[in-house]
Amino acid sequence: TQLLEQSPQFLSIQEGENLTVYCNSSSVFSSLQWYRQEPGEGPVLLVTVVTGGEVKKLKRLTFQFGDARKDSSLHITAAQPGDTGLYLCAGAPPDSWGKFQFGAGTQVVVTP
Amino acid sequence: SAVISQKPSRDICQRGTSLTIQCQVDSQVTMMFWYRQQPGQSLTLIATANQGSEATYESGFVIDKFPISRPNLTFSTLTVSNMSPEDSSIYLCSVIGTSVPSSYNEQFFGPGTRLTVL
Repeated sequence: TQLLEQSPQFLSIQEGENLTVYCNSSSVFSSLQWYRQEPGEGPVLLVTVVTGGEVKKLKRLTFQFGDARKDSSLHITAAQPGDTGLYLCAGAPPDSWGKFQFGAGTQVVVTP
Repeated sequence: SAVISQKPSRDICQRGTSLTIQCQVDSQVTMMFWYRQQPGQSLTLIATANQGSEATYESGFVIDKFPISRPNLTFSTLTVSNMSPEDSSIYLCSVIGTSVPSSYNEQFFGPGTRLTVL
């Protein structure tokens, strides 16, 4: 079983501040995905990173995949209240049809 | 990406009853998954449902409690049987799609069914 450790569990910041969420594993993933989930809704896929060292930007969100494809980070610049939600990372195993491994989630609260 | 719908979106049920949750996908998919999510928590995989074969259950989940049907490549149901308050949770169905043209797998989720058992 590939374990994916996500940190921190909870993050409360003021609007305009920056934040970073981490996902770490001792195992290699073929790709890693980040989701945001708002209360009462299903997780929404934000991005998939595939290549070691890859950096993807989605407006104020920056996603990075570690060189060894074992870890990833999500950085939000100038957070806004609309960024509030549960952020989940999920790793895809090397075999094509294996189950994705989910992190425990990071609850982010951005107050005005 | 896949568009996934679930019914019902929420329900309040009495202890001892059963509820069937439906999941519809807008395209044909080989594998569908059912997850459970406690409030503010991550996702726990209940089972994998493949068309034409019995579902594969994860440790701690059994077919008698969570029977699953997968009659075709776009539809699945999960039944939560003989419910107790401990079954109160969000139930999510999900599918894996292959991105084009990069050919890596991505997982997509339905909007979830919020179940409260009294």
